[in-house]
Amino acid sequence: NAGVMQNPRHLVRRRGQEARLRCSPMKGHSHVYWYRQLPEEGLKFMVYLQKENIIDESGMPKERFSAEFPKEGPSILRIQQVVRGDSAAYFCASSSGNEDTQYFGPGTRLTVL
Amino acid sequence: AQSVTQLGSHVSVSEGALVLLRCNYSSSVPPYLFWYVQYPNQGLQLLLKYTTGATLVKGINGFEAEFKKSETSFHLTKPSAHMSDAAEYFCAVRDTGTASKLTFGTGTRLQVTL
Repeated sequence: NAGVMQNPRHLVRRRGQEARLRCSPMKGHSHVYWYRQLPEEGLKFMVYLQKENIIDESGMPKERFSAEFPKEGPSILRIQQVVRGDSAAYFCASSSGNEDTQYFGPGTRLTVL
Repeated sequence: AQSVTQLGSHVSVSEGALVLLRCNYSSSVPPYLFWYVQYPNQGLQLLLKYTTGATLVKGINGFEAEFKKSETSFHLTKPSAHMSDAAEYFCAVRDTGTASKLTFGTGTRLQVTL
């Protein structure tokens, strides 16, 4: 059973560009969570999605950030007009919903020049 | 709101020595509790979790943790450290019931010396 997959693993963008981060949950999982890890800090929750629905976006910055989890395909975290402060590792996790454990992907490391 | 405090951002132990990583939580009701490990440039791997039942939980790689409700603690221990245990360790809490977000501590970096 393949684990949570994220791509790209590393992403470099210049200020003002857009970043798209993809997450494919584990097979059979319909719940996806996005977390951000800033250098030397713990993980901070951003958004929780189920298929075609945003359940909790309380950790998502109000501007420039959006997330989706369509009926078909991976979950996408989109950052518009990136700034240097967006440089971080972005982790996706998935769960079955009925289970309490979230399984994490390897992360996407975003660098904004 | 839930919160997690990990005392000691850096812990250094000798190989073969006891490992003790501290975690205290704040929550209006006893939550679900987790310990994750992160190796450099990798994702998080679940070490162990407490949901219900026995308060002493055994995990992978010889680690265990004990849920103490009276102390709101969930400290992680391992009797004998190995060089391969060097990593960042995160304690996390989650509401019981339906699926929801994890709230993480700031992490403890474990160094193991010869």
